[in-house]
Amino acid sequence: NAGVTQTPKFQVLKTGQSMTLQCAQDMNHEYMSWYRQDPGMGLRLIHYSVGAGITDQGEVPNGYNVSRSTTEDFPLRLLSAAPSQTSVYFCASRARNANGEKLFFGSGTQLSVL
Amino acid sequence: SQQGEEDPQALSIQEGENATMNCSYKTSINNLQWYRQNSGRGLVHLILIRSNEREKHSGRLRVTLDTSKKSSSLLITASRAADTASYFCATVTGTASKLTFGTGTRLQVTL
Repeated sequence: NAGVTQTPKFQVLKTGQSMTLQCAQDMNHEYMSWYRQDPGMGLRLIHYSVGAGITDQGEVPNGYNVSRSTTEDFPLRLLSAAPSQTSVYFCASRARNANGEKLFFGSGTQLSVL
Repeated sequence: SQQGEEDPQALSIQEGENATMNCSYKTSINNLQWYRQNSGRGLVHLILIRSNEREKHSGRLRVTLDTSKKSSSLLITASRAADTASYFCATVTGTASKLTFGTGTRLQVTL
């Protein structure tokens, strides 16, 4: 059971480039989310999804797009990268039931935008 | 702004001592969770306390919740060097059960 898998682990982009951060989970979790972690800021929610075909914005959604075509995958797209998007990105998922309230995290993607 | 704020931001203790971290939040919650993050890794869930609970135990962890003060504390007893990590509280709110994290406490346990 792999849990939550994020790729790539490291990425360097130039300003204006686009890329997709991949996230996949094999636990049949309905809820998936993306967070960014910056020094002194904790984790901030970017986008989340409560099921296939349903997405919603979090605290800091600007500059990011998401889609949820399957239960397993929740990619995060940066259409035109900016230096302010340099951060560590975490994908997380959980079951959507009374007992499924704890998040399972991926190992993170460290992104640098030059 | 962050829903949760941890205090202190950093804590250094010796092995065997107890470590206490506090979390304050702003709005009504469904539950509050504590997570641990080792350097360079993802977060790992430690314990969950519901809004109608006042205290919860799990091994060497003890969590308290005071909804009137909108605050929670995490106590790690008999700390070990392996407890060195950052600890985050996360509040769960609303019908979508959205989790919002605090800024974290960095705990250093020395031998």
